[in-house]
Amino acid sequence: DGGITQSPKYLFRKEGQNVTLSCEQNLNHDAMYWYRQDPGQGLRLIYYSQIVNDFQKGDIAEGYSVSREKKESFPLTVTSAQKNPTAFYLCASRTDPTSNSPLHFGNGTRLTVT
Amino acid sequence: AQSVTQLDSQVPVFEEAPVELRCNYSSSVSVYLFWYVQYPNQGLQLLLKYLSGSTLVKGINGFEAEFNKSQTSFHLRKPSVHISDTAEYFCAVSSDNNAGNMLTFGGGTRLMVKP
Repeated sequence: DGGITQSPKYLFRKEGQNVTLSCEQNLNHDAMYWYRQDPGQGLRLIYYSQIVNDFQKGDIAEGYSVSREKKESFPLTVTSAQKNPTAFYLCASRTDPTSNSPLHFGNGTRLTVT
Repeated sequence: AQSVTQLDSQVPVFEEAPVELRCNYSSSVSVYLFWYVQYPNQGLQLLLKYLSGSTLVKGINGFEAEFNKSQTSFHLRKPSVHISDTAEYFCAVSSDNNAGNMLTFGGGTRLMVKP
């Protein structure tokens, strides 16, 4: 079955450590996205990529970094510069970034930083 | 800029009762509207979408929504809810005036179905 796989499901880190969240898709989608979800705030866009080797900042990119070396993969690194990293992180993809096709989501990674 | 407002953060309802989850958007151009559902500790699943055509859109699990351009609304309805409908629901909007047709999400509405 095609889909988006995020790993791990739960992640715990100490403050000051960088951590990388994995996102892999086998849907052959061109566009991939990272969202952060906090209670009562909906989804906020961190970074997105419309094509391999290219990505753009979203609304809350500070303290995060991404790469898009392969079409299938779009890992997110939460750096020590992110002031409040504890959140639920969702990866999504879409067939064509210029269309209005719906987003497909992974099951998320819950990151807890203490 | 586009924005989405979900007027109710929580909606409690008894099983088998009807429900309406409200969504209002703002955009100066043509819009495309979506409703997603999220079960605990999972990602979002598409319930339904409005791209063009009929303003009444039917989705999965018996949900439907009506696009009302004059009121800039896209409310989600179900005539009879089940316990299994307990989840968080997100309204989202996309439009042709933003690069990459980015989706903007509302803050979500938690539907709580009681027996």
